[in-house]
Amino acid sequence: KAGVTQTPRYLIKTRGQQVTLSCSPISGHRSVSWYQQTPGQGLQFLFEYFSETQRNKGNFPGRFSGRQFSNSRSEMNVSTLELGDSALYLCASSEPGLSEQYFGPGTRLTVT
Amino acid sequence: AQKITQTQPGMFVQEKEAVTLDCTYDTSDPSYGLFWYKQPSSGEMIFLIYQGSYDQQNATEGRYSLNFQKARKSANLVISASQLGDSAMYFCAMREVFQGAQKLVFGQGTRLTINP
Repeated sequence: KAGVTQTPRYLIKTRGQQVTLSCSPISGHRSVSWYQQTPGQGLQFLFEYFSETQRNKGNFPGRFSGRQFSNSRSEMNVSTLELGDSALYLCASSEPGLSEQYFGPGTRLTVT
Repeated sequence: AQKITQTQPGMFVQEKEAVTLDCTYDTSDPSYGLFWYKQPSSGEMIFLIYQGSYDQQNATEGRYSLNFQKARKSANLVISASQLGDSAMYFCAMREVFQGAQKLVFGQGTRLTINP
């Protein structure tokens, strides 16, 4: 079974631009969660989607948004990028009733 | 709110030795799950082991075992016979569930270095 995939793996953007990151979960997993990892703040929860519905949202500004499609693939969008948005963005997939949450390789975003 | 504490920012261990990475947690929920992940320099978070709060026995996965002491709220990861490839960041995490929604709360991590 294929693991969680994320595209692109690396991204360089300029302040003020917007960016869209993509995550494809493990086949059969309906829950996708997104996390931001920075040296200063560590790993922080962004949001969770399940069956195309956002079930949970972390403490991030409205510039951070996401969605999930009927095939469980998820995208997150960051508008009006700031230098502080430079981070590794990780997505994880899981299925209710199963313990494990599996992460993708991450997208490393650099904002200049 | 749930909280995870990893008090060892860095650890240095000789190859083939066993190593214990500390993790303490705080929660008022009777049902919870604890995870350990390994993050090599490539950035990917690799799932290592899971322990449920109601599990009677400590979880084991190959060279990894979780020393779960519920009364002390600790969930230490034990790696037996360490290898050079074990050098990485290690994160302890707790799953927080509220009305069906879930998220992981992570500790700050421990950087493990295995010396030859």
